[in-house]
Amino acid sequence: DAGVIQSPRHEVTEMGQEVTLRCKPISGHDYLFWYRQTMMRGLELLIYFNNNVPIDDSGMPEDRFSAKMPNASFSTLKIQPSEPRDSAVYFCASSFPEQSGYTFGSGTRLTVV
Amino acid sequence: EDQVTQSPEALRLQEGESSSLNCSYTVSGLRGLFWYRQDPGKGPEFLFTLYSAGEEKEKERLKATLTKKESFLHITAPKPEDSATYLCAVQAGSQGNLIFGKGTKLSVKP
Repeated sequence: DAGVIQSPRHEVTEMGQEVTLRCKPISGHDYLFWYRQTMMRGLELLIYFNNNVPIDDSGMPEDRFSAKMPNASFSTLKIQPSEPRDSAVYFCASSFPEQSGYTFGSGTRLTVV
Repeated sequence: EDQVTQSPEALRLQEGESSSLNCSYTVSGLRGLFWYRQDPGKGPEFLFTLYSAGEEKEKERLKATLTKKESFLHITAPKPEDSATYLCAVQAGSQGNLIFGKGTKLSVKP
């Protein structure tokens, strides 16, 4: 099993540009989570899906952020337009069943200049 | 509001010097408490899940315990390869997500 796969590993973009982060969960996992990690705030949940349906998006900072899960093997997190304060490491995680402990991807380090 | 607080923020130990990390929590209806290890540049790696007060779990030099208000991660005779950030998280109520503490950065010197 290749684990949770995220791409890209690093992204540097200019303020105002659109950024798309990608995630492939572990096959068979029915929960998918997007987290953001910063030094100041630690790991914060942005949104999570169950069986491809968004369950809780209350952590999405504002309308500039959107997430989709068109099928069980793929999810995207989009930021449009990006701002310097969005700079962080974004993690995707998946799980089944939900209390077994998530498996995290290696993350995408986003830098907005 | 559900909250998870970890202490200390950073801990420096000599190789072989045992110690404990603390995770205190306030949640409505604890479903599980999780410990993760995170190495620089990597995602958190799952270590343990504890479900009820009094429960203990062990893995190599690590032992996690749980009370009604806090959890401890005991590290016995640590080695330099145990150096990492250790994260605590709780799952509460009807939520499917985990709420994380900010972590304890452990450094073990040879």
